[in-house]
Amino acid sequence: DAKTTQPPSMDCAEGRAANLPCNHSTISGNEYVYWYRQIHSQGPQYIIHGLKNNETNEMASLIITEDRKSSTLILPHATLRDTAVYYCIVRVDKAAGNKLTFGGGTRVLVKP
Amino acid sequence: NAGVTQTPKFRILKIGQSMTLQCTQDMNHNYMYWYRQDPGMGLKLIYYSVGAGITDKGEVPNGYNVSRSTTEDFPLRLELAAPSQTSVYFCATLRDRLYEQYFGPGTRLTVT
Repeated sequence: DAKTTQPPSMDCAEGRAANLPCNHSTISGNEYVYWYRQIHSQGPQYIIHGLKNNETNEMASLIITEDRKSSTLILPHATLRDTAVYYCIVRVDKAAGNKLTFGGGTRVLVKP
Repeated sequence: NAGVTQTPKFRILKIGQSMTLQCTQDMNHNYMYWYRQDPGMGLKLIYYSVGAGITDKGEVPNGYNVSRSTTEDFPLRLELAAPSQTSVYFCATLRDRLYEQYFGPGTRLTVT
């Protein structure tokens, strides 16, 4: 699976959009981009995933560049409860075991 | 529907002791996973299972054993506890249709 690069930390103002970047320059054509987050001491929580089209759900939007070498997770109106570590993961869908490889993630602090 | 449950929540072991971390799911998911998370780090895959009777090693399997006799249960066994196994252990299952993993609340293990 391709490796990802994320900034180690970022701050965001409550009520504003949080834009979390992820670089995956070695991504292959059959690898999906997944985002998970981990709120303090809890198990990670799935947010969203995509292949090449932009995706949106009730939690967030995922913007993938046309060359697929990077992506941005957007939390449209950040709340204090969005303070967490956010992990960007790329993975071949339906690969053996459907395993996820977690990197260091981005520690997001939402400030009032 | 309880999802993924893990027991115990906390445990302190002495060096050389053994224990079993329990993981049970009621979602009838075929895929199950064990991860460990050291302080300030991302999750690392220990073992995984694609169905009852089938298990395979992940990134960091040494010092651990697993079994999968039923769809619901995926216990993780530590035979000779070592301080390096001090960590938080997360169990997860895979929701086939959307390929999102569901994580349990974790077991915090300290080996002294």
